[in-house]
This record gives sequence, structure tokens and C-alpha cells, in this order.
Amino acid sequence: QSALTQPASVSGSPGQSITISCTGTSSDVGGYNYVSWYQQHPGKAPKLMIYEVSNRPSGVPDRFSGSKSGNTASLTISGLQAEDEADYYCSSYTSSSTLEGVFGGGTKLTVL
Amino acid sequence: EVQLVESGGGLVQPGRSLRLSCAASGFTFDDYAMHWVRQAPGKGLEWVSGISWNSGSIGYADSVKGRFTISRDNAKNSLYLQMNSLRAEDTALYYCAKDMAPATAGAFDIWGQGTMVTVSS
Repeated sequence: QSALTQPASVSGSPGQSITISCTGTSSDVGGYNYVSWYQQHPGKAPKLMIYEVSNRPSGVPDRFSGSKSGNTASLTISGLQAEDEADYYCSSYTSSSTLEGVFGGGTKLTVL
Repeated sequence: EVQLVESGGGLVQPGRSLRLSCAASGFTFDDYAMHWVRQAPGKGLEWVSGISWNSGSIGYADSVKGRFTISRDNAKNSLYLQMNSLRAEDTALYYCAKDMAPATAGAFDIWGQGTMVTVSS
């Protein structure tokens, strides 16, 4: 159960696009289409932004999109806005024999 | 209103036990898997444990295996986490989270506000 690997920080200017990567193994990210992404503002609970690799829950702007290639998943935010500044975490299902999950270490997004 | 409310946190000495509870409302509790996720002060999220809709499938992070026990009471719409042999490194804000499916650790769409556990002498 090693944590998924994310960059510690990314940054971008308003209106630009950024991509956050999430690298795992064939036992988690590469083995299941159960990759999700969460946004967390300081002092707040996490919020689901993407589920099952590329699906957006109701209410999440279409500026947020997800994808996966092999053992690496990605979150792309286009048209950056100031309110997008937050911590972002990826997560993956990691076992079908028992019910297990794993998170990435988190990425701090700074909107310049 | 869909809601998860955690309780049971507090200050506890190393080696002692604590039981967390999570009360669910606003959705059909026994249709979904449920999870505990923790966040140490200033650190990232860590998945701790999950339980399927009917308690038939259960999983634990290696860091808590053998010390923590997850359970649920569908009649009471409640999730629990029994934490034994607590260590300083278990100090964290513990979140209860609802899965979008009955038996996966796939996506956590509803979160509580968390209950703080501090392990210290």
C-alpha cells in the first residue's frame, strides 16, 4: 500500500491550464478504472472532483477533467480561476480481494 | 440533507483505546460502502479502512492493521472505528466518507467534518 506519487506543487496564472499527475502501479491506478480526484481548501473537508478516471459529479465545472494512461492518471484544470487554489489529491482502488484504497501525497496548486 | 457527522475523538494516552462513530443521514446508508480517512496535522490524506454495504468485505491500511476494527450498523445508519493500541502517529483528523458504490474504495462523494484524535501522554 504505497502512496500514489503526485508532484508536491504546481502553479499557473488565471486563464491558463495545468495538469497534475498521479503515478501508481498495475495494482492500483493501472489495474482499475477507480481513480478519483479531490480538492481540499484549508480547514475544509475534501470535495470529490473526478470519479472513475474521467467522470465529473454534478456541480463540478467542466474546466476539470481527468484521464489515465497506464499507471498514471492526470487531472487537468483549464481556465484557471483564483478559487481553484487548493490542495489536490488522487485516490485509487487497490484491491478486490479486500476493500482497500490509497491516496496520493497531494499537490498544492497555486494560482499566480 | 445528506450528512455525515463524526464523534468520539479526543485526547488519549499511547496504548489506550478510542471508538469513533459516524452518523449518516439523507441517503440510503446500506446501499453504499463506507470509509475512514485521516489527515495528520499539516499532512496529506491517508485512507484508513473501508467496509462494504453488508460488511462482507473489509480492508485496512497496513499502518492500522491488527489495531483498528471497522464496523457498521445499518439499522442505526452508523459507522464505527474501534482504535486500540493507539500510537502518537495515529494523531489526526479522522473523516468518515461515503463511497459511490456498494463494495469498492472507488470514490468518496460525501465527507463529514472530521473528529480529531490526539495521542499523547
